[in-house]
Amino acid sequence: QKEVEQDPGPLSVPEGAIVSLNCTYSNSAFQYFMWYRQYSRKGPELLMYTYSSGNKEDGRFTAQVDKSSKYISLFIRDSQPSDSATYLCAMSAAFGSSNTGKLIFGQGTTLQVKP
Amino acid sequence: NAGVTQTPKFRVLKTGQSMTLLCAQDMNHEYMYWYRQDPGMGLRLIHYSVGEGTTAKGEVPDGYNVSRLKKQNFLLGLESAAPSQTSVYFCASSLLGGGGYQETQYFGPGTRLLVL
Repeated sequence: QKEVEQDPGPLSVPEGAIVSLNCTYSNSAFQYFMWYRQYSRKGPELLMYTYSSGNKEDGRFTAQVDKSSKYISLFIRDSQPSDSATYLCAMSAAFGSSNTGKLIFGQGTTLQVKP
Repeated sequence: NAGVTQTPKFRVLKTGQSMTLLCAQDMNHEYMYWYRQDPGMGLRLIHYSVGEGTTAKGEVPDGYNVSRLKKQNFLLGLESAAPSQTSVYFCASSLLGGGGYQETQYFGPGTRLLVL
C-alpha cells in the first residue's frame, strides 16, 4: 500500500465548476501538507501549503486537512481553463523524524476545465 | 534569478550507455533533490543532498549515483542505462529541509530520458 493515495483521474469539468481533489495517507507522522500544480511538460510548482489540520484559503483555492481521517482536499472555485493541469498532493513528516526534508507525493490528478 | 535549471532537456540513450544529468540552482539553497516521474507512480525521490559534499539515498536509488561538489550543482549519473530508467527526471532545491514552509521545494523543468 502506498503511503499517499490519489485518484489519477482524469477529471473533466465545465468552466465555472467547483473542483474537489483529494488525497488519503497512512503515515500519522505527516505534519506538512502541500499541493503542487504541474502544467504539461513543466516542473511542479507549489500551489498551497498547510501545516497540521485546518483550512487555508488563497483566492479561488482552499486546502483542507483532516488529520483524524488522514485525508486532505483541494477545492477550486470558479474553475478556469487555465486551471487545467495535474495536481499533486505532497506530505512531509515533522522535523527531526527519519523523513525530515523528504516529500512523499501522490500520483497526481489530471484536471481538464472545458470552456 | 533563473531558479532551478536542468541540462539536457531531452536525451535518447541505448541500453548500457552512461550519462550525467546536471542540475543548477542560483537561490543559495542547501538542499537539493533528484526525482523521477513515471505514469501512475507520481514523483519518487532518487537521491538528495543536505549540503555541499553530502548525498543520501532516497526511495529508488538503485542504478543511479550523485555528486554535490559545489553547492549550486547536483549531478545525477547513470552508469549503465536500462530501459526501466526511461522517465522524466526532475531536480528540486529547498533552502532547508524539514517540511516547513521555508523548506518549500522548487523544481526545475525536467529532463526527458528515453533508454532504448
